[in-house]
This record gives sequence, C-alpha cells and structure tokens, in this order.
Amino acid sequence: AQKITQTQPGMFVQEKEAVTLDCTYDTSDPSYGLFWYKQPSSGEMIFLIYQGSYDQQNATEGRYSLNFQKARKSANLVISASQLGDSAMYFCAMREGREYGNKLVFGAGTILRVKS
Amino acid sequence: EAGVAQSPRYKIIEKRQSVAFWCNPISGHATLYWYQQILGQGPKLLIQFQNNGVVDDSQLPKDRFSAERLKGVDSTLKIQPAKLEDSAVYLCASSLTIGSGGHEQFFGPGTRLTVL
Repeated sequence: AQKITQTQPGMFVQEKEAVTLDCTYDTSDPSYGLFWYKQPSSGEMIFLIYQGSYDQQNATEGRYSLNFQKARKSANLVISASQLGDSAMYFCAMREGREYGNKLVFGAGTILRVKS
Repeated sequence: EAGVAQSPRYKIIEKRQSVAFWCNPISGHATLYWYQQILGQGPKLLIQFQNNGVVDDSQLPKDRFSAERLKGVDSTLKIQPAKLEDSAVYLCASSLTIGSGGHEQFFGPGTRLTVL
C-alpha cells in the first residue's frame, strides 16, 4: 500500500487566492510526523511545515497551514494568498517512528501553477 | 548559516561508467541522507547515516551503489557501473539527529545525473 498519496498531479490557482493540496497517508505507527516540502524548478527541496501525530493543533507557518485530520489520515496543505513565486512542485512526506527507521517517505507530488 | 553543499551539479556519463557525488552537510548535523529522485517522482531514500554509521541502506542497490561518510561529516555516493535507469537527481540532506519532533531535513541543490 502507498504510504503517502497525493491525488492531484497538477493544480492551478489564481494569484491572491487560497489553494489546498491534498495528502493522505497510511501507517500503523502511533508516532509519526508529516512534512510538506516545496521544490521549485531549481530543484532544491524547501521545508515548509511539520505536523506531529500527537499535536493537538494544526500547524501554521506564515501563509502555510496544515489541515490535519487524524481519523481520515489526511494532512492537506493550505496556501493562503497565493503568489506567483508559489509555482512549484509540492511534496507531502511522512516519517514513522524509530521502529520504522525514522526515514521520510515522499508522495509523488503536486505541481502548482499560480496564474496572474 | 551555510546550507547543504553538493557537487557536481550536473553529470553526464555513458552506461557502464562510474560516477561519484559529494555532499557536505550543515555544520553540526549528525544525520545525513542520500535520496534518488527520478523525473516525475518523489525522492526515494537510498541511505541514511548517523554520524559515520549506516542507519538504513535497505533501498540502496548494493551491487552498484556505495556510500561512505568518513569522519561523520562529508559523504560520497558512488555508482559503478551506471545503468540507464540511474538517470535521476541525487539529493543529499542533513538533519540535527534522528528522533521525534520536527527535526526537518535540509536538502542540498542536488546532482542531476544523465546516463547515456
């Protein structure tokens, strides 16, 4: 089974609007972490936001927020007030606990294009 | 603070040749990762070091790939002999340590390998 599923290969959003990028995950480990990374065309992976499985509140970092629905095993990224510079590939990733090696497993990614 | 450094940025070789990539992590980061990112996919972990010891190399094709991290700082990843399917971006990342909490991984710019 896929550990991380990103069902949207590509998304368009109008500049200054909000956009939600979907991510669902699969794990039996009670202790895990969820990450979102941005990869512009330059290729570097940029850390955006982190959510721990025991965190009570949804994570927020500036214009980024993570809509964490534990029962549904979803961790959607919300970008508010989109900017042209937000155009990039976005990856959702999960790190399971020590028993699973603490390694990051990435989804296939979603390409976001912001239109002016 | 200097980021993760990688070299070379681009490499073109013919199949059956050998190639080596170099990574210098962020100062003080104990954990170092090598990922392979094939075009259109998310990064896949090849090997993970904690200081100079291997934590996880379960997805490293050991018949042709090797990696070392002497003295627990710099690391090299080698492919010998290369195959066409090795064409990918090789990303190096580092983090403070393995463990719970955020401890996000910081990525280098990657090395784009083309095998002809």
